[in-house]
Amino acid sequence: NAGVMQNPRHLVRRRGQEARLRCSPMKGHSHVYWYRQLPEEGLKFMVYLQKENIIDESGMPKERFSAEFPKEGPSILRIQQVVRGDSAAYFCASSPRVDRGQYEQYFGPGTRLTVT
Amino acid sequence: DAKTTQPNSMESNEEEPVHLPCNHSTISGTDYIHWYRQLPSQGPEYVIHGLTSNVNNRMASLAIAEDRKSSTLILHRATLRDAAVYYCILRGAQKLVFGQGTRLTINP
Repeated sequence: NAGVMQNPRHLVRRRGQEARLRCSPMKGHSHVYWYRQLPEEGLKFMVYLQKENIIDESGMPKERFSAEFPKEGPSILRIQQVVRGDSAAYFCASSPRVDRGQYEQYFGPGTRLTVT
Repeated sequence: DAKTTQPNSMESNEEEPVHLPCNHSTISGTDYIHWYRQLPSQGPEYVIHGLTSNVNNRMASLAIAEDRKSSTLILHRATLRDAAVYYCILRGAQKLVFGQGTRLTINP
């Protein structure tokens, strides 16, 4: 059973360009979470999605960031008009079902975004 | 989200047991205690979790105080591959709220 897959693993964008990060959850998992880790900082929750629905986006910056998890295909985190401060590692995690903490989350290897 | 307190760093020797403490005095009755670790340049990895009773798995053991206000992650025989940042997280909702964690160094 393949784990959580993220691509690309490394992404370089110039200021003002768009960045698209992809996440394929574990097979059978319909819940996806995105986290961001700025250099030398801890992980911060960004958004939680189920298929075709955004459940909690309380950690998403209000502008330029969006996320989706369509019925078919991977979850996408999109960052428009990137700035240097967006340079970070972006991690995706998945879990199999709705829970109140009794299930673990499985993380992907991350996408390291560098904005030049 | 309830807060956890962990030492910033700990050091141990290879093949010795390691006890990583976590204080969570404001834990609610429905919060699960989760532990994750992050090896250098990798994504977080689930280690163990529990609610009230002590838990064991192939990676570690979790000892939970009777009043649930603290817990201890136990690595029974540390290896160099266990060097990582260990996060203790209280989870009562969907998302994980990471603190600064404990940076564990293993000496050969």
